[in-house]
Amino acid sequence: AQKITQTQPGMFVQEKEAVTLDCTYDTSDQSYGLFWYKQPSSGEMIFLIYQGSYDEQNATEGRYSLNFQKARKSANLVISASQLGDSAMYFCAMREGQGNFNKFYFGSGTKLNVKP
Amino acid sequence: ETGVTQSPTHLIKTRGQQVTLRCSSQSGHNTVSWYQQALGQGPQFIFQYYREEENGRGNFPPRFSGLQFPNYSSELNVNALELDDSALYLCASSRAGQVSGNTIYFGEGSWLTVV
Repeated sequence: AQKITQTQPGMFVQEKEAVTLDCTYDTSDQSYGLFWYKQPSSGEMIFLIYQGSYDEQNATEGRYSLNFQKARKSANLVISASQLGDSAMYFCAMREGQGNFNKFYFGSGTKLNVKP
Repeated sequence: ETGVTQSPTHLIKTRGQQVTLRCSSQSGHNTVSWYQQALGQGPQFIFQYYREEENGRGNFPPRFSGLQFPNYSSELNVNALELDDSALYLCASSRAGQVSGNTIYFGEGSWLTVV
């Protein structure tokens, strides 16, 4: 079974509007971390936001927020007030592992296009 | 800027050859992991090094090997290259022991084309 599922291969959003990118995950661990990364065409993976499995409040980082619904095993990324520079691939990821070992599982990504 | 640097940025190799990719970790980070990202896919975990030893591996054959040096920099070696090895190879560093928000920071990657 896929550890991370992103069901939206591509999304379009109008500049200045909000957009939600979907992510569901699968794990039997009690302790895990959920992350979102942005990947422009240059290739670098840019860390956006983190949510711990024990965090009760949704994480926010500037225009990014993570809608964490633990019972549904979903961790959707919400980008508010989209900007043209937000156009990129977005990857949801989950960290499993304990101690000094951390393995990240990535979804297949969502390509976001922001229209002027 | 994540402070993680990789070299070379692009390279072309012939099937059957060997390749070495290099990574310099972010200052203060003692763990390095490598990921393979094929075109149109998400990154796949290859292995992780901590204190110069491999301490975790994904579903990659033994011809994928690595090293971590005392300064925490790292190499990824791939022997007997196959066409399917063509991908973006990402190095990521982190600091073991940080529990909360222990993200990994990626370099810009090395684009490998095998012909």
